[in-house]
Amino acid sequence: ETGVTQSPTHLIKTRGQQVTLRCSSQSGHNTVSWYQQALGQGPQFIFQYYREEENGRGNFPPRFSGLQFPNYSSELNVNALELDDSALYLCASSLVQGSGNTIYFGEGSWLTVV
Amino acid sequence: AQSVSQHNHHVILSEAASLELGCNYSYGGTVNLFWYVQYPGQHLQLLLKYFSGDPLVKGIKGFEAEFIKSKFSFNLRKPSVQWSDTAEYFCAVRLTGANNLFFGTGTRLTVIP
Repeated sequence: ETGVTQSPTHLIKTRGQQVTLRCSSQSGHNTVSWYQQALGQGPQFIFQYYREEENGRGNFPPRFSGLQFPNYSSELNVNALELDDSALYLCASSLVQGSGNTIYFGEGSWLTVV
Repeated sequence: AQSVSQHNHHVILSEAASLELGCNYSYGGTVNLFWYVQYPGQHLQLLLKYFSGDPLVKGIKGFEAEFIKSKFSFNLRKPSVQWSDTAEYFCAVRLTGANNLFFGTGTRLTVIP
């Protein structure tokens, strides 16, 4: 048990729609990251939030956006969904920014775009 | 660009066999190294990590890994696998001072009873 919970666990959306995925970080963790794991691939970094500010982003377009709230919960929003957005979306939390900290992952949200 | 290579895509072993999964990365600076395991339907779980010091690190469930800086490698080993080790194994690298992990494509391990 990592203390990182995500919702929903599974959802199906239609191409062009928008989706919001939610994450509740482990208590006390001030950094949250989101990863996309396509089938048969390793997770790919989308972005990270530290103290409610985005402070790192991977190679994902602006239609992938996020929020981090004062209680360190987080949202991932994806607009204008495309078929290739179908994947497992993972939330990860850690205590401090930078090196020396362990990252804990949630179980993920499976998104299917049809 | 940084990359992490796991050359074994699918490994099939019998119980009690020894395991070694390869991981190589391409980055010349200081890195933190991780192995994660993902059991079917479950979250990514940290097996072990290397930040500095002794390059031979021991993790949970009898796993260990050796960091060889000259070879840019961080191979995962277990002397005797069990059926319950059947899972997907991911090697990951974090550049020192960076915020994110670079993952390999994973190695699927199937252990036959």
